Amino acid sequence: RKEVEQDPGPFNVPEGATVAFNCTYSNSASQSFFWYRQDCRKEPKLLMSVYSSGNEDGRFTAQLNRASQYISLLIRDSKLSDSATYLCVIGYQKVTFGTGTKLQVIP
Amino acid sequence: DVKVTQSSRYLVKRTGEKVFLECVQDMDHENMFWYRQDPGLGLRLIYFSYDVKMKEKGDIPEGYSVSREKKERFSLILESASTNQTSMYLCASRGRSGSGEDTEAFFGQGTRLTVV
Repeated sequence: RKEVEQDPGPFNVPEGATVAFNCTYSNSASQSFFWYRQDCRKEPKLLMSVYSSGNEDGRFTAQLNRASQYISLLIRDSKLSDSATYLCVIGYQKVTFGTGTKLQVIP
Repeated sequence: DVKVTQSSRYLVKRTGEKVFLECVQDMDHENMFWYRQDPGLGLRLIYFSYDVKMKEKGDIPEGYSVSREKKERFSLILESASTNQTSMYLCASRGRSGSGEDTEAFFGQGTRLTVV
């Protein structure tokens, strides 16, 4: 089983839609969880950290389910500018990335 | 702002050459990482370091070595470059909060290496 697994997509959604991504991880000792965003030909940048209690930042909501070993990202009211690849990141001693989920928001 | 700087954006090298990729961070971070990113495979960890002179193999260390002589600098070395090492290489650094939790990882802008 891969350490971190994500559905690669692409997810093609209309503007204004709600879209959700999941990311599963295999190491139950994992301690830190993040969602990154990567635009084409750019380096990944932090979108948000993921806390046990769940956290929200504007249209973005991140959740952690330790029992089932996954994190999720929910994007409400999708904008064209949300089109990017979203990478989940799981940290223990090293930092392991998922392969990314490509989101394309269409007009 | 944290800054992670990679020495080159684009590099073209010949097969068999020894290649050095340099990465410098200015936030006194303990942990530094080297990844390569290829279409369909995502970011794969090559090596990481959690302290000066310490290094750990990542998921795909074969054909690579690293050096961390100073805390701010983490070098990736391709001992004898091969065409299958053509890729985007990303360096990252990560620190710890006052409470000991891992902070986010910050990335350099990437080096696109082509081996011909």
